[in-house]
Amino acid sequence: AQRVTQPEKLLSVFKGAPVELKCNYSYSGSPELFWYVQYSRQRLQLLLRHISRESIKGFTADLNKGETSFHLKKPFAQEEDSAMYYCALSGGSNFGNEKLTFGTGTRLTIIP
Amino acid sequence: GAVVSQHPSRVICKSGTSVKIECRSLDFQATTMFWYRQFPKKSLMLMATSNEGSKATYEQGVEKDKFLINHASLTLSTLTVTSAHPEDSSFYICSASGTTEFGIQYFGAGTRLSVL
Repeated sequence: AQRVTQPEKLLSVFKGAPVELKCNYSYSGSPELFWYVQYSRQRLQLLLRHISRESIKGFTADLNKGETSFHLKKPFAQEEDSAMYYCALSGGSNFGNEKLTFGTGTRLTIIP
Repeated sequence: GAVVSQHPSRVICKSGTSVKIECRSLDFQATTMFWYRQFPKKSLMLMATSNEGSKATYEQGVEKDKFLINHASLTLSTLTVTSAHPEDSSFYICSASGTTEFGIQYFGAGTRLSVL
């Protein structure tokens, strides 16, 4: 069974400070990992995925297979980063659009 | 691009009635659509996966006769909550994936269902 764990329900960080949102997963095969974000009164949207290896809005996430982690990081938090962040996992199949398993989410609040 | 429209955004109904929620992909073909349920302060729970033209695949514990899913075209899927009861009150969210970027799901804004 696949599982995603986000240990922090709430995280408050001062503006300009580094941010790290933790995500651990369990999956027997080769997973594909995502971070989705939901800003206030907006729908859930993709922030980044591990295969893209991109930095989006200053955020990066590295897949660590040894530690089965996919932590989201940003060196300097901005007020507009306040949102709900969900880590998600799919089976990474090449044959179709696989379902996602979501973590419980972390609400990030940036303190001005 | 890759916009998913979900309608209605909010519905209030009496116990015993059925409610239909629509999910449309506006600018891409959604080969797969997903239906989630979100309880207050909880994560999204996948209810079912539907592929265009075939029967939906339900997750364990989700009643297929209670939550009817139809995905008759590449741009439309519907979720019908049949004979709704107060315990069905929840936030229902659809997502779609398809021919735009493989593996990425695009989400609707959700439907708040309140059953009286």
